[in-house]
Amino acid sequence: GDSVTQMEGPVTLSEEAFLTINCTYTATGYPSLFWYVQYPGEGLQLLLKATKADDKGSNKGFEATYRKETTSFHLEKGSVQVSDSAVYFCALSDRITGNQFYFGTGTSLTVIP
Amino acid sequence: DTGVSQNPRHKITKRGQNVTFRCDPISEHNRLYWYRQTLGQGPEFLTYFQNEAQLEKSRLLSDRFSAERPKGSFSTLEIQRTEQGDSAMYLCASSLVGPSYEQYFGPGTRLTVT
Repeated sequence: GDSVTQMEGPVTLSEEAFLTINCTYTATGYPSLFWYVQYPGEGLQLLLKATKADDKGSNKGFEATYRKETTSFHLEKGSVQVSDSAVYFCALSDRITGNQFYFGTGTSLTVIP
Repeated sequence: DTGVSQNPRHKITKRGQNVTFRCDPISEHNRLYWYRQTLGQGPEFLTYFQNEAQLEKSRLLSDRFSAERPKGSFSTLEIQRTEQGDSAMYLCASSLVGPSYEQYFGPGTRLTVT
């Protein structure tokens, strides 16, 4: 069945460091891919998305590229801030029907000044 | 737009009792989803509606779980005969139909079964 695998955390970085959070997926159809973020005490928020191969999603300095050949959607940011401290979830759904929703287990990021 | 709202935000109940949670989606969204999230895990999909039709319910955790969306607006999730293992955060999300079905989440209802 479909699934999403994220790198395990927690991840601790110094401010202005480069961030990569790995995400790989398994899907029988044609998924759309998403990154959601959950700040402390808040609900999940959509961070970025990509709906087809080679698409790059971007938002708030974060980027992720849909790589069909490696079934990956790694999240990157060139210079993290303390305010980026949160839990990040990779997710997929079927691109055509919007069905088959799967989330990864989440990666906790802490950025220290 | 006020976003997705959920009530109550917290619920404490005794084992064996029934509980019901409510979700009000973003008004123009015709899809509504329910998830369960346990500590340290990602959201686990339970069921979803398109308007009033429940299109997927095979991933509800057991027959003690049921959901309704009678008029295609708000939805309720009921858990009958609660067990301690049901303690979790229950999340609701809504979306439009297409093009990317991106979901917008509510704050969740935290259930504690004692």
